[in-house]
Amino acid sequence: DTGVSQDPRHKITKRGQNVTFRCDPISEHNRLYWYRQTLGQGPEFLTYFQNEAQLEKSRLLSDRFSAERPKGSFSTLEIQRTEQGDSAMYLCASSLSLPALYGYTFGSGTRLTIV
Amino acid sequence: DQQVKQNSPSLSVQEGRISILNCDYTNSMFDYFLWYKKYPAEGPTFLISISSIKDKNEDGRFTVFLNKSAKHLSLHIVPSQPGDSAVYFCAAIGSSNTGKLIFGQGTTLQVKP
Repeated sequence: DTGVSQDPRHKITKRGQNVTFRCDPISEHNRLYWYRQTLGQGPEFLTYFQNEAQLEKSRLLSDRFSAERPKGSFSTLEIQRTEQGDSAMYLCASSLSLPALYGYTFGSGTRLTIV
Repeated sequence: DQQVKQNSPSLSVQEGRISILNCDYTNSMFDYFLWYKKYPAEGPTFLISISSIKDKNEDGRFTVFLNKSAKHLSLHIVPSQPGDSAVYFCAAIGSSNTGKLIFGQGTTLQVKP
């Protein structure tokens, strides 16, 4: 068990380009979450998967954002037509079915910079 | 609407002393509260949680206190160590079905040797 892995660690891209991030959760965890963190703020919830089903999406997740978790394993988060305001740290986390007791395990995040 | 608030952006304490980090919330329906620690360039790490039916939970040097009537919780670290220097986030479970967390803004703790 190597924890939650996120790739890439850093991404610099020009405004208007598309970007895709990958998250590999802990293998036995059935829940997977994406969060976004901007400077000086706590992480903000974006979306949640239970196995392969995407069960909740935040209003923060505009139609330029899409997330998938095929076969209930790894997940991808794609941002189309990136904007300056998309610059942030994108965090992935996974948990068992009782996150209240054991918390989540977060990855180290992907830092996105839009230039 | 900030449902979970950490009003102190930073805290500095001397090694060996107690660190007290505070958190306020507005939604009385929250079931669980959690504290996370975050080092630079790393993801948050789970520290300790507390159910809304309890008023205290202890794990080693870390104790979380919950005052439901005041909608306030605090994390006590005793004794504080330089390695505790990090950003601490308070979070609440916003939905028991999804386990979605609602985070505060964070407090940066500096423990001086």
